[in-house]
Amino acid sequence: AQSVTQPDIHITVSEGASLELRCNYSYGATPYLFWYVQSPGQGLQLLLKYFSGDTLVQGIKGFEAEFKRSQSSFNLRKPSVHWSDAAEYFCAVGPQIDMRFGAGTRLTVKP
Amino acid sequence: EAQVTQNPRYLITVTGKKLTVTCSQNMNHEYMSWYRQDPGLGLRQIYYSMNDEVTDKGDVPEGYKVSRKEKRNFPLILESPSPNQTSLYFCASNRAGGSGYGYTFGSGTRLTV
Repeated sequence: AQSVTQPDIHITVSEGASLELRCNYSYGATPYLFWYVQSPGQGLQLLLKYFSGDTLVQGIKGFEAEFKRSQSSFNLRKPSVHWSDAAEYFCAVGPQIDMRFGAGTRLTVKP
Repeated sequence: EAQVTQNPRYLITVTGKKLTVTCSQNMNHEYMSWYRQDPGLGLRQIYYSMNDEVTDKGDVPEGYKVSRKEKRNFPLILESPSPNQTSLYFCASNRAGGSGYGYTFGSGTRLTV
């Protein structure tokens, strides 16, 4: 059965600093992989997804993620964090109908 | 505007009083799901549906029912709510196909029992 681990419960970065959020997955076949963001009091918004092809995928809001099959990882990155990026981030693994989510990483941005 | 609409946004009820949370999508999506979100546990799937009249259990189906009598609607029913069902609930829809489309989520329903 598929599963997702997000090792960091809470991360604090300074505005303008780079960001990397970790995600490790377990899946028996080629995975669908997703990153979602949840702002306080809001639903989840899709940032980016990976299914096949180029292992570095670009998403919205300046985020990117890299799929590394050998490490079963799909880490999310952003070169320069803005205060508006403060939110909770969820990694998820497919298939499309039966997606599993990680526990989430809460991002705090210091001014 | 393409969206998933859940109602109500907030709901306070008492143990044992049946309730329904409605969910509707206007994107003609085949797939629909219900998730609950609890601190430290992320989102856990309650039920999902692949199309009209076809539903299946997710990871935490106990105490919940769903129906999919028409493609756009996927209500979540709690026949006898209990305090451990206090949670934030999300409905989501997704299109079928081979390109890994992600779920589109509703705004959530915060339930207190």
